[in-house]
Amino acid sequence: GQQVMQIPQYQHVQEGEDFTTYCNSSTTLSNIQWYKQRPGGHPVFLIQLVKSGEVKKQKRLTFQFGEAKKNSSLHITATQTTDVGTYFCAGPRGNMLTFGGGTRLMVKP
Amino acid sequence: GAGVSQTPSNKVTEKGKYVELRCDPISGHTALYWYRQSLGQGPEFLIYFQGTGAADDSGLPNDRFFAVRPEGSVSTLKIQRTERGDSAVYLCASSSIASVRGGDEQFFGPGTRLTVL
Repeated sequence: GQQVMQIPQYQHVQEGEDFTTYCNSSTTLSNIQWYKQRPGGHPVFLIQLVKSGEVKKQKRLTFQFGEAKKNSSLHITATQTTDVGTYFCAGPRGNMLTFGGGTRLMVKP
Repeated sequence: GAGVSQTPSNKVTEKGKYVELRCDPISGHTALYWYRQSLGQGPEFLIYFQGTGAADDSGLPNDRFFAVRPEGSVSTLKIQRTERGDSAVYLCASSSIASVRGGDEQFFGPGTRLTVL
């Protein structure tokens, strides 16, 4: 079945450094979604990518969808302590979303 | 309007007991999903409702798990003969679009933390 993998599992950065998390699917995706989960919180939708090679930006966050629509990345420029949390990618499979294992970002002030 | 709500926020039970977890989705959202999240992992799909019917229950781990949504709004996840391995956070999400192929975002509730002793 479809698998969605994310790397790295954890990332510690100094405040102000950049951060990137990578998402890879075993199958081609019709779209990919990204969610953020703060410690003790629930997943919150960030963005959806649909087109091959699509790039979207939200302030310091840049999201990319690969040409083959099997991989995606999230890049955060100049991290802040408010960026702390776990970032999940998720791809549709049938009627469900398959979530990656997430990348937990820790930011040292 | 309110977001997705879930009750209780925490539930501690003993092995072998029966539990019910409730989800109240965003008003007007026809699609409702249940997920289970273990520590350090991503949400794992359990069941999907479109309206009142369970359109996809392929994620339910075994027949001890059952969910209903009788009036197409509130849903209840029921777990019989709980086991310690059932301990996790149970998340509910709703969406205004029927199919994830449509790509609409899912709005998650705060979850119910279930602990089976």
